[in-house]
Amino acid sequence: KQEVTQIPAALSVPEGENLVLNCSFTDSAIYNLQWFRQDPGKGLTSLLLIQSSQREQTSGRLNASLDKSSGRSTLYIAASQPGDSATYLCVHRDMRFGAGTRLTVKP
Amino acid sequence: SAVISQKPSRDICQRGTSLTIQCQVDSQVTMMFWYRQQPGQSLTLIATANQGSEATYESGFVIDKFPISRPNLTFSTLTVSNMSPEDSSIYLCSVPSPTGELFFGEGSRLTVL
Repeated sequence: KQEVTQIPAALSVPEGENLVLNCSFTDSAIYNLQWFRQDPGKGLTSLLLIQSSQREQTSGRLNASLDKSSGRSTLYIAASQPGDSATYLCVHRDMRFGAGTRLTVKP
Repeated sequence: SAVISQKPSRDICQRGTSLTIQCQVDSQVTMMFWYRQQPGQSLTLIATANQGSEATYESGFVIDKFPISRPNLTFSTLTVSNMSPEDSSIYLCSVPSPTGELFFGEGSRLTVL
C-alpha cells in the first residue's frame, strides 16, 4: 500500500524567506499529485495539481515539482508571508494524504 | 470544477446514536471518496463509493460502522453508527475531476458527547 511522507512535520520561518516542503512516495508508479493548504478550522484549498506527464506547476509564488524517478514532490514557496501560515498537504492518485507540514511564517 | 455540498455542516450527538452525512455534487461523477480528519490529524480515506456497487473500505474501516449509500451519480451518504467520543472528527466527501484533481466539500464537523 502506498505510503506518503511529508517532511518536515513543522516549519517556522521569518517573513520573506524562500522555503521548500517535501512529499515522498513508496510507489514509483506515480500519477497525479496534488498540493493543498488547510487553515486552522477550515476546509481544504487546492494549490497545485501536477499530472503524471508534467514535471512542475506554478501559481504565483508557489512552484510544485514532481520527480517520478525518486518518488518525490516538492512545494517551493517564494518570499513567504504571514498569510502563508497553514498546514500543507499532498495527496497521491490513490487518494492517500501525507501527514502534512505545519508552516508558520513570522512577521 | 465541482461544487460539493455537505450536510450537516456540524452536529453534536450523543454516544450510541447514529448520524447520516449527505454529500451532493453539482455534476455526475463515477467515484466519490469519504475521508475522516481527526483533531490535529491529516485526512484518512474511509472508503470509495462507486454508483451501482458496494463501497470499498480502507483498512480499519468497516461497513457496519460506516455504511455508505450511493443511489445516483450526484449523491452519497455516510452514516457513522453507534457513535463514541472517538468518532468526533470532521468528515469530508471528495470527487475527482476528469483530470484527476480532487475537490472537497466543506466537511461535516461531528462532536460526540
